[in-house]
Amino acid sequence: DGGITQSPKYLFRKEGQNVTLSCEQNLNHDAMYWYRQDPGQGLRLIYYSQIVNDFQKGDIAEGYSVSREKKESFPLTVTSAQKNPTAFYLCASSAKFQGGSGANVLTFGAGSRLTVL
Amino acid sequence: GEDVEQSLFLSVREGDSSVINCTYTDSSSTYLYWYKQEPGAGLQLLTYIFSNMDMKQDQRLTVLLNKKDKHLSLRIADTQTGDSAIYFCAETSHRADRGSTLGRLYFGRGTQLTVWP
Repeated sequence: DGGITQSPKYLFRKEGQNVTLSCEQNLNHDAMYWYRQDPGQGLRLIYYSQIVNDFQKGDIAEGYSVSREKKESFPLTVTSAQKNPTAFYLCASSAKFQGGSGANVLTFGAGSRLTVL
Repeated sequence: GEDVEQSLFLSVREGDSSVINCTYTDSSSTYLYWYKQEPGAGLQLLTYIFSNMDMKQDQRLTVLLNKKDKHLSLRIADTQTGDSAIYFCAETSHRADRGSTLGRLYFGRGTQLTVWP
């Protein structure tokens, strides 16, 4: 079955540590996204990538970094510069590469919950 | 201000209809979406509607779009306890100032639907 796999499901970090969240998709989607979800805040876009070796900042990129070396993979690193990293992180992908026509249907992973101790 | 707004909470009794409302500000929105999120999980697409339509029905779900008022609603008929979840409204547009060549989605904060037996 095609889908998006995020790992780990739960992660605990001490202050000052970097952590990397994994996101892998086998849907052959071009675009991938990282969102952060906090209670009552909805989804906020961190980074997105439309194509391999290219990515753009979203609305809250500070303290995060990404890479897109393979089409299937879009890992997110939460660095020590992120002041309030405790949150639920969602990875998504979509087949749509450019706007102009057609819906942009996102497929989401199950999420990773990061807690800073 | 927020691009997409939703009320945060809705409670209904099992068997009643639920109506979740959403307003958006971008008159150039092309597609509008409803996603469902169960506790501790990712989002799953329920349905979407193109902006030149005013209604879409899919089994127990009915989407109504009032483009003039920029108002979207999701009606769930015969609501069941399994429908308890957070429901997100989202829209895409192609305004150049929103960098929207990706067809990026803008999400509301989500409506927590609680269904009482």
